[in-house]
Amino acid sequence: QKEVEQNSGPLSVPEGAIASLNCTYSDRGSQSFFWYRQYSGKSPELIMFIYSNGDKEDGRFTAQLNKASQYVSLLIRDSQPSDSATYLCAVNEPGGSYIPTFGRGTSLIVHP
Amino acid sequence: KAGVTQTPRYLIKTRGQQVTLSCSPISGHRSVSWYQQTPGQGLQFLFEYFSETQRNKGNFPGRFSGRQFSNSRSEMNVSTLELGDSALYLCASSLQLPQETQYFGPGTRLLVL
Repeated sequence: QKEVEQNSGPLSVPEGAIASLNCTYSDRGSQSFFWYRQYSGKSPELIMFIYSNGDKEDGRFTAQLNKASQYVSLLIRDSQPSDSATYLCAVNEPGGSYIPTFGRGTSLIVHP
Repeated sequence: KAGVTQTPRYLIKTRGQQVTLSCSPISGHRSVSWYQQTPGQGLQFLFEYFSETQRNKGNFPGRFSGRQFSNSRSEMNVSTLELGDSALYLCASSLQLPQETQYFGPGTRLLVL
């Protein structure tokens, strides 16, 4: 049973701070990882994917992957109230197929 | 450019019935993925179609099936509905690979009584 674990939160950070969202996974062979954002009552949207160890930056978002420790994290710099949402981590099957397993998500609240 | 559309948006069925949900991808997108989202299990991947072929499949029973047409529109079918099938069913479309990017539709909310 593949597992993807996330702290459900809520994670509360002040506006302008760095929000750090973490995700651990059980399948050591996993090679691709995704972060989705889902606003309450809305559909998810893919915000980042990462394949290689290290950091990947996109605007205010940075994904960090450490395959040896089996964790992936998402940093949101200069957090804004509009970043308040649930963030879902997804881990793909080993190999080239697309068969993701999702975490339960972390609720982020950015307060003014 | 129009987004992903799903019909119907809401549906009520009774146990034992079957249901068909429809998804129209963004124009030019050839990959359609389906997901189930419930409060209990979270978001789960059902299957992905590309060029009328099921390319990937999640861990769901055979009661869940799908197909894709030549215009990339996709349908999913759930037969012999169970109470636990009550969920939000989401589809997402991608140009080629769902791993690279994908856009979700608004979902179909299914209630099984």
